[in-house]
Amino acid sequence: EPEVTQTPSHQVTQMGQEVILRCVPISNHLYFYWYRQILGQKVEFLVSFYNNEISEKSEIFDDQFSVERPDGSNFTLKIRSTKLEDSAMYFCASSPAVGVYEQYFGPGTRLTVT
Amino acid sequence: GDSVTQMEGPVTLSEEAFLTINCTYTATGYPSLFWYVQYPGEGLQLLLKATKADDKGSNKGFEATYRKETTSFHLEKGSVQVSDSAVYFCALSGKENYGQNFVFGPGTRLSVLP
Repeated sequence: EPEVTQTPSHQVTQMGQEVILRCVPISNHLYFYWYRQILGQKVEFLVSFYNNEISEKSEIFDDQFSVERPDGSNFTLKIRSTKLEDSAMYFCASSPAVGVYEQYFGPGTRLTVT
Repeated sequence: GDSVTQMEGPVTLSEEAFLTINCTYTATGYPSLFWYVQYPGEGLQLLLKATKADDKGSNKGFEATYRKETTSFHLEKGSVQVSDSAVYFCALSGKENYGQNFVFGPGTRLSVLP
């Protein structure tokens, strides 16, 4: 069964450093998403991406964040200058074409900022 | 804006007990409703969904009915197992703007004791 994959599974970085989280969505899906889950808290939407552009973003997704689909398979989330409060689990998700609404989530990348 | 409310956890049950996790929502229009499950150390897995009023989603012995009149989507299982121990998230997705982000509830942690 096709699945969303994410790398790395765990990333440790120092405050102020740039990180790139990588995702490979399901191959025939058209919509891509990033969510985050701070430890013990709810899953929060960050950004959605369709047709090579951001379609929606939350107030969390400020100028420190960016997303890119550099090729036909990868979808990345970049945090330019990490802060302690960026420590969280980051989930990538994808969903297929019009008429189907469920999102398929990857296993997550745990980001720890020290 | 759209929101999802779930019963506070943790919920602790004995094996073979009946499970109900309440979920209510606030949304404009007619959202699709979902239950996701997160097992320890893993990502989010779709458990079941319902896309219109009176639909019943079911999977692995779990079921939930989309109740428009009470804006609810309560999760039930007749006989829980130790392997059902996980965090359960209720979520909604709007239909007006396809690709709209999910809104998650805070999650309910379920522990099933042998």
